Amino acid sequence: KAGVTQTPRYLIKTRGQQVTLSCSPISGHRSVSWYQQTPGQGLQFLFEYFSETQRNKGNFPGRFSGRQFSNSRSEMNVSTLELGDSALYLCASSLAPGGGQETQYFGPGTRLLVL
Amino acid sequence: AQSVTQLGSHVSVSEGALVLLRCNYSSSVPPYLFWYVQYPNQGLQLLLKYTTGATLVKGINGFEAEFKKSETSFHLTKPSAHMSDAAEYFCAVSDYNQGGKLIFGQGTELSVKP
Repeated sequence: KAGVTQTPRYLIKTRGQQVTLSCSPISGHRSVSWYQQTPGQGLQFLFEYFSETQRNKGNFPGRFSGRQFSNSRSEMNVSTLELGDSALYLCASSLAPGGGQETQYFGPGTRLLVL
Repeated sequence: AQSVTQLGSHVSVSEGALVLLRCNYSSSVPPYLFWYVQYPNQGLQLLLKYTTGATLVKGINGFEAEFKKSETSFHLTKPSAHMSDAAEYFCAVSDYNQGGKLIFGQGTELSVKP
């Protein structure tokens, strides 16, 4: 069974631009979560989607948004990019919503560099 | 609020030596605890998890961790380090009351010397 896939793997943008990242979960998984990883802040939760509904959102500005499609694929969008948005963005999928015993399986991440 | 503290941002051991990576958590409810490993330029891979039941949890690659409620700890160990164990390790807690997100520690980078 294929793992979580994320596209693109690497991305370079300039300040003020917007970016869309894509995540395809493991087949059969309906929950997708997004995390931002930076050297200074570590791994921080962005949001979680289940059945096309956002269940939970982390403490990030409204420039960060996401959505989930009926096939469970998810996208996250960052508008008006800032230098501080440079990070590795990780997507994780699970069978059911997280928060309990569900294991979240992570993709390889998209590395975003904002110049 | 839940939190996770990993003691030691860098740990160095010799090949064949014991690996001990420390993790302490704070939680007002019984926690679900996870250890993940991250190799360079890759995502996170689950090593093991504690939900309920046996407090000694065995994972992949010879790693294990023991849940100690009285010490609010979930330390990761491996009896004999291998060069391939060099990576960054993250402890995480999941609390259903917080909507399912994983809260991660700051990570511990493990180096293995030949």
